[in-house]
Amino acid sequence: ETGVTQTPRHLVMGMTNKKSLKCEQHLGHNAMYWYKQSAKKPLELMFVYNFKEQTENNSVPSRFSPECPNSSHLFLHLHTLQPEDSALYLCASSRNGEGETEAFFGQGTRLTVV
Amino acid sequence: GQQLNQSPQSMFIQEGEDVSMNCTSSSIFNTWLWYKQDPGEGPVLLIALYKAGELTSNGRLTAQFGITRKDSFLNISASIPSDVGIYFCAGQLRAGNNRKLIWGLGTSLAVNP
Repeated sequence: ETGVTQTPRHLVMGMTNKKSLKCEQHLGHNAMYWYKQSAKKPLELMFVYNFKEQTENNSVPSRFSPECPNSSHLFLHLHTLQPEDSALYLCASSRNGEGETEAFFGQGTRLTVV
Repeated sequence: GQQLNQSPQSMFIQEGEDVSMNCTSSSIFNTWLWYKQDPGEGPVLLIALYKAGELTSNGRLTAQFGITRKDSFLNISASIPSDVGIYFCAGQLRAGNNRKLIWGLGTSLAVNP
């Protein structure tokens, strides 16, 4: 099993759809993160969870809703997205989550909103 | 806001050549991280630097934390085709117990066999 696994790898959704991204880490880490990667922009931190508790929300629109049922699993629920939300969504984990630190990334979900 | 200037934006080199890229900022950082991202994959941590002046190697990769704490460079020696990818730097700021990363825009490396 790889360290951080994301599913699906690719997702195409309409603006009225509801979908979820899943992330699972097998590294025994306590912190998990969602990042958004868009062309020509620096990596953007969206959410941080430390020991299942959300510790950071970087002014992310409410159409993105994270869920962290335990330290190993992280979800990103998507609804009523816009075309500009198309991007690579990366999940990451680290030993602890006092903000951003050295993290292990998943392979990402390439999201296209049509 | 804080920014990192990563250069060059892209490089196209011959196999066997050495490569150098760097990141500079007006901010002072506590930690520098260098990641590589292969096409279709997530970033992978290559080297982490924790002290000003620190020079760290990982195989053919060498990175240094600048003395001013405002810059860092990454060198790759004797490049090979699998070095192809995008290299990102990230500087870490600390405010109390909270840490924040400022990311560069990446250096895209192409290696001609």
